Formats: sequence, C-alpha cells, structure tokens
Amino acid sequence: NAGVMQNPRHLVRRRGQEARLRCSPMKGHSHVYWYRQLPEEGLKFMVYLQKENIIDESGMPKERFSAEFPKEGPSILRIQQVVRGDSAAYFCASSSAGGKGNTIYFGEGSWLTVV
Amino acid sequence: GQNIDQPTEMTATEGAIVQINCTYQTSGFNGLFWYQQHAGEAPTFLSYNVLDGLEEKGRFSSFLSRSKGYSYLLLKELQMKDSASYLCAVRDNAGNMLTFGGGTRLMVKP
Repeated sequence: NAGVMQNPRHLVRRRGQEARLRCSPMKGHSHVYWYRQLPEEGLKFMVYLQKENIIDESGMPKERFSAEFPKEGPSILRIQQVVRGDSAAYFCASSSAGGKGNTIYFGEGSWLTVV
Repeated sequence: GQNIDQPTEMTATEGAIVQINCTYQTSGFNGLFWYQQHAGEAPTFLSYNVLDGLEEKGRFSSFLSRSKGYSYLLLKELQMKDSASYLCAVRDNAGNMLTFGGGTRLMVKP
C-alpha cells in the first residue's frame, strides 16, 4: 500500500529554468495539497486540489507558480523562471476527502535547489 | 488568520517524559494535528485531536483544550530516535488547509 509518492526527490535548476514536481496521492485519495518548507522554517500551505479542480490556492505566489491535478496522472506543481529564493522542500499531501475528519498524509518531499 | 506557537527547542534525557506545548489563535478550527519530522525527511503523522481530551497511542499522547486554544504532545520512555522536530498544525474551518507552527526541535540525550 504505497503512500504519497513524489518525484523527483532532488532537483537542481539554474536560475530562469522551469521546475516540475510530481505527486501521486495515496491509493484511494482524491485530494491533494502542496506545502513548501523553506530552510529552517515551518511548512506553509500553497494549494489544495481535487481532480481537475483547484479548490484553494490562497498560499500560491501570484506569479510563476501553478498547480494542476488532471483527471489522469499525478498532480504537478510547476515553477517557471526559478529564482534562488525558490530553493526549498516541496511536500505533497493527500487525504481521502477534504474537510473534516480526514487525516492528511505527507509524501517524502521534493528538494529544489536553484543555483 | 491563524497563529500557532510552540517552543523552538527542547532537550530531554533518554527514558524520560517530555511534554511539547502548542497554543493557537485561529479564526476557525477543525482539528489539530501533530507530526514528527526528522531532518531532511517528510512529516510523519502522529495524532489528530478534534474533541477536548487526551488521545493515547503507545508512547505518544496528545491533549486538546479548544476553549483554551491549547494542545500538548506527551512523549514517554524517550528513545534516541525520538530526536526530531515536532510540528503542531491546525486545520481551518473549511478543512482545506493545515497551518503549521514553526516546529519544536527535540534533542534526546543519553
């Protein structure tokens, strides 16, 4: 019973390149969340998605960042024209349903380094 | 908005008991989570409280008082492997997001 799967685990990008992070939720889960953890800081909510829908993107930076969760395939967090400040761990989490009473499980994370 | 406070660091001795406190002021509340996170790894789910009282699970227990905006995580019979960061997180009313505290870095010494 696989947990939340993220890839790549580690990604190095030069400034100005694009980064794509993928997340496959736990089996039976249809709700996906993305969080970012900057070095020595806490986890910060970015976006909450269900299949083909963005439910809450209040934590997403206004520019360069986008997320999707298509009908088929993993959820993708896309960062365009990366800058040094984007270097962080990006965690995906999933739950069986949104809202009350459902435990949220985290993936292993994708560590982005911008050089 | 959400504001969650927990101590930055704590130190305890192997075999002892440690209590990690978390206070929160939130505009909405729909449950409080505790996660363990080792350096460079993912947060691992420990406990979830939505009603007042104590939830016990092996060596770990978590307590919640909604009227006081207060929770604690109790770790008994500490082991060296318990050295990690412990994250307190509150879920909003809509259930869409978790707001995390900064985490408490626990160091267990022999």
